[in-house]
Formats: sequence, C-alpha cells, structure tokens
Amino acid sequence: DAGITQSPRHKVTETGTPVTLRCHQTENHRYMYWYRQDPGHGLRLIHYSYGVKDTDKGEVSDGYSVSRSKTEDFLLTLESATSSQTSVYFCAISVAGTYNEQFFGPGTRLTVL
Amino acid sequence: ELKVEQNPLFLSMQEGKNYTIYCNYSTTSDRLYWYRQDPGKSLESLFVLLSNGAVKQEGRLMASLDTKARLSTLHITAAVHDLSATYFCVVTSGSRLTFGEGTQLTVNP
Repeated sequence: DAGITQSPRHKVTETGTPVTLRCHQTENHRYMYWYRQDPGHGLRLIHYSYGVKDTDKGEVSDGYSVSRSKTEDFLLTLESATSSQTSVYFCAISVAGTYNEQFFGPGTRLTVL
Repeated sequence: ELKVEQNPLFLSMQEGKNYTIYCNYSTTSDRLYWYRQDPGKSLESLFVLLSNGAVKQEGRLMASLDTKARLSTLHITAAVHDLSATYFCVVTSGSRLTFGEGTQLTVNP
C-alpha cells in the first residue's frame, strides 16, 4: 500500500467550517498529490507537492490550500467548506524509478452539510 | 489541455465473454496507466504502458498502447465475476496524471 495513510477517513461538517485533511507517508517520497473523486469525473488533481514547502496547483484548486512542512505529511485545507466540496479525497505519492507511477491512499469521505 | 475519453462508461457482461474497453487521449503523452477501483476502495495500479506498441498482460486482462492513434485498449478475456470494478485509463502530462471518467464493469453469472 506504499505506506500511505489518510486521516480522518470520514468526516461530516457544516458549510463555512474549516476542514483539514492529512496525508501521511512513511517512505520519504518526494512527490505527493491530492485528488478529489466525484461521479462522472474520474479523479481530478487539486494540488501537488514536489518537496517540503514546494507545492503547485492542479485543475480544481479553488477553495483549497495545502501545506507540506515535513516530507512525510501533506495537508489539504478547506478554509470555509461548501457543499460543492462534498467528495471523496485521495492522497497519492509518486515513486521515483517506477515510471512515476502513482500509489493512492485509502481515501477520505467528506460530507459538507 | 489533455483530455482522456473512455468508452464505454458502463459495461455489463456475462461471465466467459470477451470485451474491450477503449481509451482515447487528446495530446502526445509518454506513458499511460490503467487502474482498477473496487466500490468504496482506493485505486490499484494494473499496467504501465511506456511506448508505442506496448502490450502488457496479467491474468484475463491485456492492455495495449498505440501512441500514433492516441489509443489504449484494455481487453478482457473470459470474464469472471471478480473482475467487476471500475477501470480508469490515466495519461501523464509531465508529473501530472489526467484520468478518464472510468468504465464501470459488471460481470454477471
């Protein structure tokens, strides 16, 4: 499973509330990613990181911010959650030497009421 | 902008039958992946295809890549119920992945 954990695994929150999701990896991989999965859209990239304090936006970054202060942790923050951010969120890592194949965490199901 | 289109999006087939899932992508890419996702679960990598004409096989699944046509296929041979899942075609653009919508496969007895 490439040593990836996500927390929490499930969360229900209310509109306007800040939410932080955590992705933790144990193998010091440089690249980490946050995706959201919604019916009819496959997975869409929110943000990614290519090292400590180095991050960049993906295709659906509006309303999300990220931080990476340690190699092993990549945090995704919804500053003020909206119902449109109800989704399943997956973290992934990219393993050097495997053709940049990505391996995914177990996912976090977020419901914004 | 890279676009990835899969078809069909929904596939219901009988055990023992063969079928092919198609994946078309819009711009040149240097590698293509196929992933599997079971309901409520994470994604599992099935194949990495690196070059034109690449073919990979694992059990009843075989994936191929035609970079000139920007087309990949995932062929299912003699389907069994355990293959029921959603299959994603994924294409790279630099270090980013672009996903197709996924093909939801149901194999019926």
